[in-house]
Amino acid sequence: GNSVTQMEGPVTLSEEAFLTINCTYTATGYPSLFWYVQYPGEGLQLLLKATKADDKGSNKGFEATYRKETTSFHLEKGSVQVSDSAVYFCALSDGARYNKLIFGAGTRLAVHP
Amino acid sequence: DAGVIQSPRHEVTEMGQEVTLRCKPISGHNSLFWYRQTMMRGLELLIYFNNNVPIDDSGMPEDRFSAKMPNASFSTLKIQPSEPRDSAVYFCASSFLDRAYEQYFGPGTRLTVT
Repeated sequence: GNSVTQMEGPVTLSEEAFLTINCTYTATGYPSLFWYVQYPGEGLQLLLKATKADDKGSNKGFEATYRKETTSFHLEKGSVQVSDSAVYFCALSDGARYNKLIFGAGTRLAVHP
Repeated sequence: DAGVIQSPRHEVTEMGQEVTLRCKPISGHNSLFWYRQTMMRGLELLIYFNNNVPIDDSGMPEDRFSAKMPNASFSTLKIQPSEPRDSAVYFCASSFLDRAYEQYFGPGTRLTVT
C-alpha cells in the first residue's frame, strides 16, 4: 500500500543553519506530494506541494523537489529561524482515493538562537 | 473568514462517560475529516465525509466511536463509553472536494480520559 517515511526527530539546529528533512514514499501510480507544518498548540497547515515529477514546491523559504527516480521529497531551507520550530509532516495523495492524504510520522524541528 | 472551529478545546472526563466533539468546517468546503493525534501512533485519519456522506470510516478504532454530519456546517465525533486509551488530540479538517489535498485544520480538542 501507499506509505510515507520521514527521518526521525527531533532535529535540533542553531539559527541560520541549513535544514534538510528527508521524506521518501511508496505509491502506485503518480501521487502528489505535500509538506504540512504544525506549530505548537495548533493544527496542521499546508506548507508546500508538488503534483508531478521534477516539480519544486516552495513557500516561506522552504523548498522540496519531487524526485520520482528516488521516490523522495526532501524538505530544505537555507537558513532556519527560531520561528520555524514546529513538527513537519510529509504526505501524499495518490489520486485513486482522491481525497485521502497519507501522512508520515512527522519530524520535530527545534531551532535555538 | 473564520477557520475550522472545534469545541471544546479541552475535555477532561472519567472513563465510561460519553464524549462529544464538535466541528464547524469552513463555509463552502464540502469535505470534512476527523483525525486523532497521539505520541505513540502519530496522526491517524478516523473518518471523512464528502457532501455530508461518510466515505471511509476504516480508521475508526471500534464501535465505541461514531461520527455524524447532519448538514454542511456541522459534524460530531462521539465516543461512548470513553476509555483512558482514547486520550489524544482530535483534529477536524475541511477542504474543497476537488482540492482535498489542501486541508484546513482546526485547533484540535485535547481529550483526557481518567
